[in-house]
Amino acid sequence: EPEVTQTPSHQVTQMGQEVILRCVPISNHLYFYWYRQILGQKVEFLVSFYNNEISEKSEIFDDQFSVERPDGSNFTLKIRSTKLEDSAMYFCASSERRVAWNSPLHFGNGTRLTVT
Amino acid sequence: GQSLEQPSEVTAVEGAIVQINCTYQTSGFYGLSWYQQHDGGAPTFLSYNGLDGLEETGRFSSFLSRSDSYGYLLLQELQMKDSASYFCAVRALNRNAGNMLTFGGGTRLMVKP
Repeated sequence: EPEVTQTPSHQVTQMGQEVILRCVPISNHLYFYWYRQILGQKVEFLVSFYNNEISEKSEIFDDQFSVERPDGSNFTLKIRSTKLEDSAMYFCASSERRVAWNSPLHFGNGTRLTVT
Repeated sequence: GQSLEQPSEVTAVEGAIVQINCTYQTSGFYGLSWYQQHDGGAPTFLSYNGLDGLEETGRFSSFLSRSDSYGYLLLQELQMKDSASYFCAVRALNRNAGNMLTFGGGTRLMVKP
């Protein structure tokens, strides 16, 4: 069964550094998302991406964050200058269409980001 | 904005039936989903209710009452592998008719032998 893949599985970085989290969504999916989950807390929406542009973003997704689809397969999340509070598990997800009854989100296994 | 309430923790024994409730408040509503997440793993889609009533998928069923802003996930014949966190999520109306899901805080289910 096709799956969403994320790399790396764990990233440790120092405060103020830039990080890029990488994702390969399922190939025939059209909508891509980033969510994050601080340890022990709920999954929070960051951004959705369709047709090479951001279609929705949350208040968390400020100017320090950006997303890109540099080629036909990868989907990246960049954090420009990391803060301690950015430490979380970051999940990439994709769906065939906008979230609807027959188009659930398919999540990757996540990248655990630790900012020291 | 949107908010979802679900119990933080539920414990049950193998073979039993457990119901995880979810109440929500949204500015619009396009359906209630349920996701399962094992420790250290990714959320995995379980079910979706767009209309009132019961949806059944094997041992799992999900119910929705839009008039009560309430839904539940029913797990039958519990197995040890069902120990996980379960999240309800709403796709709610927003200015772009939303791609985003808002998740509840999750219910940690512990199945004991």
